[in-house]
Amino acid sequence: GQQVMQIPQYQHVQEGEDFTTYCNSSTTLSNIQWYKQRPGGHPVFLIQLVKSGEVKKQKRLTFQFGEAKKNSSLHITATQTTDVGTYFCAGPPGTYKYIFGTGTRLKVLA
Amino acid sequence: DGGITQSPKYLFRKEGQNVTLSCEQNLNHDAMYWYRQDPGQGLRLIYYSQIVNDFQKGDIAEGYSVSREKKESFPLTVTSAQKNPTAFYLCASSIAADEAFFGQGTRLTVV
Repeated sequence: GQQVMQIPQYQHVQEGEDFTTYCNSSTTLSNIQWYKQRPGGHPVFLIQLVKSGEVKKQKRLTFQFGEAKKNSSLHITATQTTDVGTYFCAGPPGTYKYIFGTGTRLKVLA
Repeated sequence: DGGITQSPKYLFRKEGQNVTLSCEQNLNHDAMYWYRQDPGQGLRLIYYSQIVNDFQKGDIAEGYSVSREKKESFPLTVTSAQKNPTAFYLCASSIAADEAFFGQGTRLTVV
């Protein structure tokens, strides 16, 4: 079946450093979504990318969708302690049914 | 307020028991989903439903059952056939393949 892998699995950074997580799907995705899950919480939607090569920014967060629509990345500039959590990408291979990536757990050291 | 509600927040199950987790949404979403999350792991799809009275198995459906008799409700039953049910269960809903809204989750523990 379809798999969505994320790297790295864990990342510890000093506050102020940048952070990037990469998402790779075994199949083409109609769109890619990113979610953040705080420790003990539930995933919360961050953004959706639809077009091949699309780049979107949200303040310090930059999201990119690959040209082949099989990979994506999330980059955080100058991390803050509020960025702590696990970041998941998710892709629906069809109209419904999201396949979530394995997640990247970010820890920010003050 | 519109949203998705899961109950209970914590649930304890004895060996051999079936338990049902509740998921209700008032967002008027057609699609609903159940995911399982183990400590430090990602989300694995158990079942999903695109429309009332219809649902499909996800990647780890064995030992679980669902029903979708109403648009607002998508309960999940963890049966005694599920040998390792201790996990965090998340319900979500969406309009087609758009943003998924998650409930607060249910933590199930076998005692």
